[in-house]
Amino acid sequence: AQSVTQLDSHVSVSEGTPVLLRCNYSSSYSPSLFWYVQHPNKGLQLLLKYTSAATLVKGINGFEAEFKKSETSFHLTKPSAHMSDAAEYFCVVSYTGGFKTIFGAGTRLFVKA
Amino acid sequence: DGGITQSPKYLFRKEGQNVTLSCEQNLNHDAMYWYRQDPGQGLRLIYYSQIVNDFQKGDIAEGYSVSREKKESFPLTVTSAQKNPTAFYLCASNDREWGTEAFFGQGTRLTVV
Repeated sequence: AQSVTQLDSHVSVSEGTPVLLRCNYSSSYSPSLFWYVQHPNKGLQLLLKYTSAATLVKGINGFEAEFKKSETSFHLTKPSAHMSDAAEYFCVVSYTGGFKTIFGAGTRLFVKA
Repeated sequence: DGGITQSPKYLFRKEGQNVTLSCEQNLNHDAMYWYRQDPGQGLRLIYYSQIVNDFQKGDIAEGYSVSREKKESFPLTVTSAQKNPTAFYLCASNDREWGTEAFFGQGTRLTVV
């Protein structure tokens, strides 16, 4: 069965330190992969997406993610956390035309001053 | 500006009442979706529609109903049969092309009082 797993439900970092949010997916087909961010009581905003072009994808707000087919991973990173990055992040996998979309359970990022 | 609009932002309902959540998009997207989000949980798919006058049940359709009479509109009715309707509801839309991201509304928070 197709699935996506976010390996950490919560991640806490200090401001100015690197961020790593982990995502693994199962895949029988070539997926398209997305990371979204959600601030409290808001909708989801697209951070970045992978669609079989470059394996290192750069997104908004300094985030990037690397697609590793051999590891079926799509981890999200940022070199230096900012207080405004505190939010919930969702890894999303989409198959066959986009309508079959699977959400990870989410990772809540806490940023300490 | 193109986008997806949900209304109202907050909604209160008495037990036993039906209530309808609005979702409108001007992105000319074929596909639209309704998700439910509970605290600390990911998104669960309620219903989706790939084309006008057609829709499919998602993972948690019981107690909900939808219609898709116009391409730009996909209202969700939470019926009295839904046992635990208090939640945050998100509407999304996308093109039915592989690799296209979903666009989300800002959500409706429904509270049963």
